[in-house]
Amino acid sequence: AQSVTQLDSQVPVFEEAPVELRCNYSSSVSVYLFWYVQYPNQGLQLLLKYLSGSTLVESINGFEAEFNKSQTSFHLRKPSVHISDTAEYFCAVSDQNADRGSTLGRLYFGRGTQLTVWP
Amino acid sequence: GAGVSQSPSNKVTEKGKDVELRCDPISGHTALYWYRQSLGQGLEFLIYFQGNSAPDKSGLPSDRFSAERTGGSVSTLTIQRTQQEDSAVYLCASSSTGMNTEAFFGQGTRLTVV
Repeated sequence: AQSVTQLDSQVPVFEEAPVELRCNYSSSVSVYLFWYVQYPNQGLQLLLKYLSGSTLVESINGFEAEFNKSQTSFHLRKPSVHISDTAEYFCAVSDQNADRGSTLGRLYFGRGTQLTVWP
Repeated sequence: GAGVSQSPSNKVTEKGKDVELRCDPISGHTALYWYRQSLGQGLEFLIYFQGNSAPDKSGLPSDRFSAERTGGSVSTLTIQRTQQEDSAVYLCASSSTGMNTEAFFGQGTRLTVV
């Protein structure tokens, strides 16, 4: 079983500042990695994912995350945040399992990080 | 359908009553997940289906909770003898096979036990 740690429950930053939301997971077996975002009063949306290939993945709104296998981390970064980025961000991990082929198994979520961007 | 559909969107029930929450996954998705989200809490895993079987039901908090999935599609989460601590948003997600797999979430059912 995996456990996912998001070290910061709250991250307040000013607009246009850089931000990093940290995520570590427990197991070094092959994994799929995800960041989900939940805007106020909305459902969960996928922000970006790592399944294989390049360890640096990017979203359409300027976020990026890097899979670091040796550190078992998948930190989320953005060089310059906007007020509209205010939301809760969840890191999630699924074990790769050869028996399931490329089907996701159980998703393990962190407790979430509330990013608040101030003007 | 175009996305994961959950019904009802809101449910208010009296303590001690049974409730059923429904999830219609995206057509063709083999995996289905139930989570719940309480105020100020993260996402609590409840159960995961692969087809009609549930390889992982370890997250169900008590024997008052049960879930089934029929025909590899629709799933129902049943909570018997509801308690106030069951109040939460219950989220369903589904995922497919393939190289670009990801889990898609529904909008959730907000359950309030009074």
